[in-house]
Amino acid sequence: DVKVTQSSRYLVKRTGEKVFLECVQDMDHENMFWYRQDPGLGLRLIYFSYDVKMKEKGDIPEGYSVSREKKERFSLILESASTNQTSMYLCASSLSLLGEIEAFFGQGTRLTVV
Amino acid sequence: GENVEQHPSTLSVQEGDSAVIKCTYSDSASNYFPWYKQELGKGPQLIIDIRSNVGEKKDQRIAVTLNKTAKHFSLHITETQPEDSAVYFCAASKGSSASKIIFGSGTRLSIRP
Repeated sequence: DVKVTQSSRYLVKRTGEKVFLECVQDMDHENMFWYRQDPGLGLRLIYFSYDVKMKEKGDIPEGYSVSREKKERFSLILESASTNQTSMYLCASSLSLLGEIEAFFGQGTRLTVV
Repeated sequence: GENVEQHPSTLSVQEGDSAVIKCTYSDSASNYFPWYKQELGKGPQLIIDIRSNVGEKKDQRIAVTLNKTAKHFSLHITETQPEDSAVYFCAASKGSSASKIIFGSGTRLSIRP
């Protein structure tokens, strides 16, 4: 079974802190994604990566950055956390751009910024 | 920009009855339409998908239909069971790139015993 693991289920951070959300997948997938889930808004793509050191902005990248130094690990960084970044964050991975395109999600990290 | 609208936001059906969730999309180049189910405390999981060259697809109690002309697609669950209670998301590919998908806002489905 594909496993996508997010390092924390719950996080509480203070405004202005630098926050790192970590995600690891164990199936050698090329693509990795970070989404944000808010009630009534569905899942919105923050950033995605299709290869090591490659990244592309999603629909709501402002206030976030990402890092992919190794194929299995994709980190989301909140440079200076703000209260409007309180949300559920979901990491996902998929095998390739064409062909096998099912996205496998982690269990989510609920981040609260106070 | 491209968007996916999903209705209803909440749905309650009697166990054994059918449930239908509807979505519309705006990007005429979209060609891949997955449906995800999210159970409490878990990440979303793919339950069925359909490509634009197919009008309908079934998998046991779940079926998806696609009307490309009207840009509508729907999820049908028959003979609903308590374990069908979850949040369901429709999605559409952004253009012809299946690696980028846009999600609907979700439907919370509750099955009444």
